[in-house]
Amino acid sequence: KAGVTQTPRYLIKTRGQQVTLSCSPISGHRSVSWYQQTPGQGLQFLFEYFSETQRNKGNFPGRFSGRQFSNSRSEMNVSTLELGDSALYLCASSLEGGGYTFGSGTRLTVV
Amino acid sequence: DQQVKQNSPSLSVQEGRISILNCDYTNSMFDYFLWYKKYPAEGPTFLISISSIKDKNEDGRFTVFLNKSAKHLSLHIVPSQPGDSAVYFCAASGRGNFNKFYFGSGTKLNVKP
Repeated sequence: KAGVTQTPRYLIKTRGQQVTLSCSPISGHRSVSWYQQTPGQGLQFLFEYFSETQRNKGNFPGRFSGRQFSNSRSEMNVSTLELGDSALYLCASSLEGGGYTFGSGTRLTVV
Repeated sequence: DQQVKQNSPSLSVQEGRISILNCDYTNSMFDYFLWYKKYPAEGPTFLISISSIKDKNEDGRFTVFLNKSAKHLSLHIVPSQPGDSAVYFCAASGRGNFNKFYFGSGTKLNVKP
């Protein structure tokens, strides 16, 4: 079965712009979580969506938002980009109570 | 505040020997722990998990040990192989919050042939 698909793989944006990243979970997985990975910081939890509702939220500013569609696909949006937003953004899907399956990530560079 | 810590950013081991990766956590509510492996340009892949009702879980060459009183877990890889060279992350979640995981900062393992 197909894994978790994230698009695009790479993205370069300018400070002040906004960006939307997309994640298609494994078929049948209703939970989608987003993480930010920066060097030396590990993976920082952004938020989790389940059945189109945000169920968990991390400690990121309101510039980071997301949504989930009825087919479980999810998008995350970052507005007013800052240089510090440059990171690998990982999406993971899961069945309830199970571990994650991660996508390959979107590498965002803000210049 | 980092609730899950991996204090060794890197580890180098000879092929065939044991690799021991360590992880400490501060939140006593954590009851489910996982290890992930990550190669460059790929997402993390699940390796092994353990719940707080156990103190050991084994899967082939990989064994995870959990010491709840010390709030410490470790991943043992025996024998280590060059293909094991990757970044290893430990992660933890709390009761009733299955899908919010706290990750450590990772340990880069290098297995030398």
